[in-house]
Amino acid sequence: QTVVTQEPSFSVSPGGTVTLTCGLNSGSVSTSYYPSWYQQTPGQAPRTLISNTNTRSSGVPDRFSGSILGNKAALTITGAQADDESDYYCVLYMGSGIYVFGTGTKVTVL
Amino acid sequence: EVQLVESGGGLVQPGGSLRLSCAASGFTFSTYFMHWVRQSPGKGLMWVSRVNGDGSDTTYADSVKGRFTISRDNAKNMLYLQMNSLRAEDTAVYYCARGPDSYYGMDVWGQGTTVTVSS
Repeated sequence: QTVVTQEPSFSVSPGGTVTLTCGLNSGSVSTSYYPSWYQQTPGQAPRTLISNTNTRSSGVPDRFSGSILGNKAALTITGAQADDESDYYCVLYMGSGIYVFGTGTKVTVL
Repeated sequence: EVQLVESGGGLVQPGGSLRLSCAASGFTFSTYFMHWVRQSPGKGLMWVSRVNGDGSDTTYADSVKGRFTISRDNAKNMLYLQMNSLRAEDTAVYYCARGPDSYYGMDVWGQGTTVTVSS
């Protein structure tokens, strides 16, 4: 069974930098998995931040960036702001029309 | 404005059926993949199903395969999810989402509709 792993939680200071990761229990994440990233606040629909590893969606601030770090996909928030406090999810494309969401990371800004 | 609006959620007994709908507007619906994604109470997001632009290719998560059917009506700009043999673990908010192509996940999301499976 494919499991996409994310850190359960992170805390970052206002103005600070945090890097969230998205890994696979069965190997390395590469650009071939077309990783994407989503932000969700409680009671709201998800919002797309990043697609295809590092392409920011329209209207997403440039403090959000995507990359591959080692064997994982990564989302970096540079200069965190209070309204970045949210849950963050990655999605990997597994091929054959199948997608798997990560377990999610809760980011606290304090 | 690109918009997705889900409807059809509600309370259903275990073993029952429900059909969710998603009305799309503001874009050329037939040229996009479409997805259903769900979120159980207090849990993370889970991809459920995807359909290609003309409806000829559909894929499903293992946990819903054989019970759920995704379909679309491009003339009406509508996406559907027929859910049969519902279980308590299918209780969730169901979101429809647009897929810009075959690989890139989802780019636009609806607000969701709530399905509760309980006796």
